[in-house]
Amino acid sequence: NAGVTQTPKFRVLKTGQSMTLLCAQDMNHEYMYWYRQDPGMGLRLIHYSVGEGTTAKGEVPDGYNVSRLKKQNFLLGLESAAPSQTSVYFCASSFGQAADTDTQYFGPGTRLTVL
Amino acid sequence: LAKTTQPISMDSYEGQEVNITCSHNNIATNDYITWYQQFPSQGPRFIIQGYKTKVTNEVASLFIPADRKSSTLSLPRVSLSDTAVYYCLVGPLGSNYQLIWGAGTKLIIKP
Repeated sequence: NAGVTQTPKFRVLKTGQSMTLLCAQDMNHEYMYWYRQDPGMGLRLIHYSVGEGTTAKGEVPDGYNVSRLKKQNFLLGLESAAPSQTSVYFCASSFGQAADTDTQYFGPGTRLTVL
Repeated sequence: LAKTTQPISMDSYEGQEVNITCSHNNIATNDYITWYQQFPSQGPRFIIQGYKTKVTNEVASLFIPADRKSSTLSLPRVSLSDTAVYYCLVGPLGSNYQLIWGAGTKLIIKP
């Protein structure tokens, strides 16, 4: 049981390049989330999904797109990277909405630098 | 959702009990209080969740007074490995997409 995994762990992009971050979970969770974390700050929600085939915008969605074609995977895309998107990206998943099931399980993060 | 306020940083020593208090004056009737722990270069990890009074698990205790306007995370007999950032989150169950993650409390444990 690997939990939540993220690919890649590190990436350096040039301004204007595109890339996709992959998040995978093997816990059969319905809900998945993409966050970014900037130095000394808490997490900010980019997009989330409440089930396969669904996506919704979070607090800071601009410049990002997501897709959830399979229940276990949640992809985050940057179509034209900007230096302001330099950050650490965390993926998380949760099973349900009741007590003891809405706990979020986080991946190890992807450190992205945009030059 | 209710705004939370917690100390920016705290220091303590190995073997001591550490209490981190979170203020949430505008907590709603259906809000729960959840704490996460984040080590450097890792994703946050769930510690404990509660609604009222006291909750205890193998890692920590959570004390919530009757008015629920604050809560205290208690870590018994801390070790160096408890050095981390601790986040207090308040919201109804199933509202992960609305939770506000502040900067948390940076806890440093000294030998």
